[in-house]
Amino acid sequence: EIVLTQSPGTLSLSPGERATLSCRASQSVNYNYLAWYQQKPGQAPRLLIYDLSRRATGIPDRFGGSGSGTDFTLTISRLEPEDFAVYYCQQYGSTPITFGQGTRLEIK
Amino acid sequence: QVQLVESGGGVVQAERSLRLSCAASGFTFSYYGLHWVRQAPGKGLEWVALISSDGGSADYAHSVKGRFTISRDNSKNMLYLQMNSLRPDDTAVYYCARDGPVSWFGDSRWGQGTLVTVSS
Repeated sequence: EIVLTQSPGTLSLSPGERATLSCRASQSVNYNYLAWYQQKPGQAPRLLIYDLSRRATGIPDRFGGSGSGTDFTLTISRLEPEDFAVYYCQQYGSTPITFGQGTRLEIK
Repeated sequence: QVQLVESGGGVVQAERSLRLSCAASGFTFSYYGLHWVRQAPGKGLEWVALISSDGGSADYAHSVKGRFTISRDNSKNMLYLQMNSLRPDDTAVYYCARDGPVSWFGDSRWGQGTLVTVSS
């Protein structure tokens, strides 16, 4: 099983700043099949990025995914007030499909 | 547009059974693999099970293997999760999710979830 470890656990930033969220895998993710989700309280997860760097439909270009192998990054170039939420990475290159434990992005 | 609507959640006693359903619309159901993903209160996301587009293959998380069964009815555009021998740590919101066109998950679509509460 591939374990995904996200860091930091909590990230405190201000609107307009750049956010960098990390996701490290315990072994290489096949085909770089790595996704990122955003989740707000009481809502279902919202797909942001899939296949490492492809933005899902309707996702603004301030969200970007990068990395390869075992180290992955979600970058939010300029934070908007609506971006403060919990973010999860997911690998789907092998089963069991696994998620990271999440990074909480909070307003500083 | 793609819609996935879960139902069947509720409060159930430990060791009992429950069946969840997911009604799909807005796409050709039989073309896509499907999943159940759950989220315990205040916790992260946990993948539960997957089923192939034709229902011929399935896979499960270790935590539910032997207790849960995923199935689908392509004639009714329905996905199911039969949950037996439920435990309090199965308490969660259960989401159904549809694969993207190329791989498991990928450009996926998710429902809004249904809450299952298992009492001891």
